[in-house]
Amino acid sequence: AQTVTQSQPEMSVQEAETVTLSCTYDTSESDYYLFWYKQPPSRQMILVIRQEAYKQQNATENRFSVNFQKAAKSFSLKISDSQLGDAAMYFCAYRSAYYGGSQGNLIFGKGTKLSVKP
Amino acid sequence: DSGVTQTPKHLITATGQRVTLRCSPRSGDLSVYWYQQSLDQGLQFLIQYYNGEERAKGNILERFSAQQFPDLHSELNLSSLELGDSALYFCASSEGPSGTDPRETQYFGPGTRLLVL
Repeated sequence: AQTVTQSQPEMSVQEAETVTLSCTYDTSESDYYLFWYKQPPSRQMILVIRQEAYKQQNATENRFSVNFQKAAKSFSLKISDSQLGDAAMYFCAYRSAYYGGSQGNLIFGKGTKLSVKP
Repeated sequence: DSGVTQTPKHLITATGQRVTLRCSPRSGDLSVYWYQQSLDQGLQFLIQYYNGEERAKGNILERFSAQQFPDLHSELNLSSLELGDSALYFCASSEGPSGTDPRETQYFGPGTRLLVL
């Protein structure tokens, strides 16, 4: 079974600075998708960024980028120019590319709570 | 706003009771997923429906059941409730036409907060 581990329960960053959130995963599959979701105090789960495992190029979305290291099974999220609105829980998630049973659905890490200091 | 709606937002009930959570997917989405978020277990996938049929099942208890109706809204039924069922229950829907493409993005609703006393 696949697992996702986020080793940093809490992180803090100064406004306008850069912060990196860590995520590692365990799988025996070669094809899969990785996601970062943001959960602000409103509790809404918001997709931040997605990475396909077959793509070597790291995904970027405006101030958000990932460092995907497939061999190391590592998938970190970098937030540049941090803003107060970035304060939230961030969840790393895995989704198999092979559909069947529960394998096609999202497997989440425990989350990292990010605080942004003004 | 993701376009996925869930009702009610909050629900307080007693042990042994039964409740129904409702989800309306985004317009045009055929797949609905249910997730449970608790302090102990984190975010866990419960069940998926596609166009009215059960498509995938995760860590869903036998006391829980779900269905998807012809208008594509879905209901999650929780019965014989226990204290440990207190959690945030999310519904998500996916944009793809088939419900089986892992590339499909899942859009989450705001959740229903269930408190069992």
